[in-house]
Amino acid sequence: DAGVIQSPRHEVTEMGQEVTLRCKPISGHNSLFWYRQTMMRGLELLIYFNNNVPIDDSGMPEDRFSAKMPNASFSTLKIQPSEPRDSAVYFCASRPQDNQPQHFGDGTRLSIL
Amino acid sequence: QKEVEQDPGPLSVPEGAIVSLNCTYSNSAFQYFMWYRQYSRKGPELLMYTYSSGNKEDGRFTAQVDKSSKYISLFIRDSQPSDSATYLCAMTPPRGGNMLTFGGGTRLMVKP
Repeated sequence: DAGVIQSPRHEVTEMGQEVTLRCKPISGHNSLFWYRQTMMRGLELLIYFNNNVPIDDSGMPEDRFSAKMPNASFSTLKIQPSEPRDSAVYFCASRPQDNQPQHFGDGTRLSIL
Repeated sequence: QKEVEQDPGPLSVPEGAIVSLNCTYSNSAFQYFMWYRQYSRKGPELLMYTYSSGNKEDGRFTAQVDKSSKYISLFIRDSQPSDSATYLCAMTPPRGGNMLTFGGGTRLMVKP
């Protein structure tokens, strides 16, 4: 059973560039979550989708951040333009149904120079 | 004050020791509780998931929930060096509460 798959695993880019992070949830899971993890703030929920529909994006830090889920097997998190303070590990997680635990991917380590 | 408090550690123990990891929370609406283990440069991995107060055992791991005290624990028996990781507690309200609230994580080091 393949887990949540994220790509790329590492991304290093210069300030001002567009960054796109990708996620393939576990097949059959109907909810998908994007998190950001830093030493200072721990794990923070950015946005989550239920049945491909964005439900709560209150954690998205700024308009520079956007997320889409065009179908049940794919989601993207885009940062445009990127800034050094966006450097963090970004995790995607999926869940089969309400009140079931979330399963995480191995994250994308993002460095903005 | 954070909704979920967790001692960041690091907690260093010798191999074979019993480890106790704890979280306290302030929101009485939390009803589902999880423990995740996170190795360096990996995503959080679900270890335990429980709803009821009391104990739930899985191999060397025991999760304990005390809703009256708003306190949860994870016990690891016969700890191994491979248990060295960061342990995150997480919790959520019942149906309709889709968002997990995480503790900050406790870093555990088990020395051979």
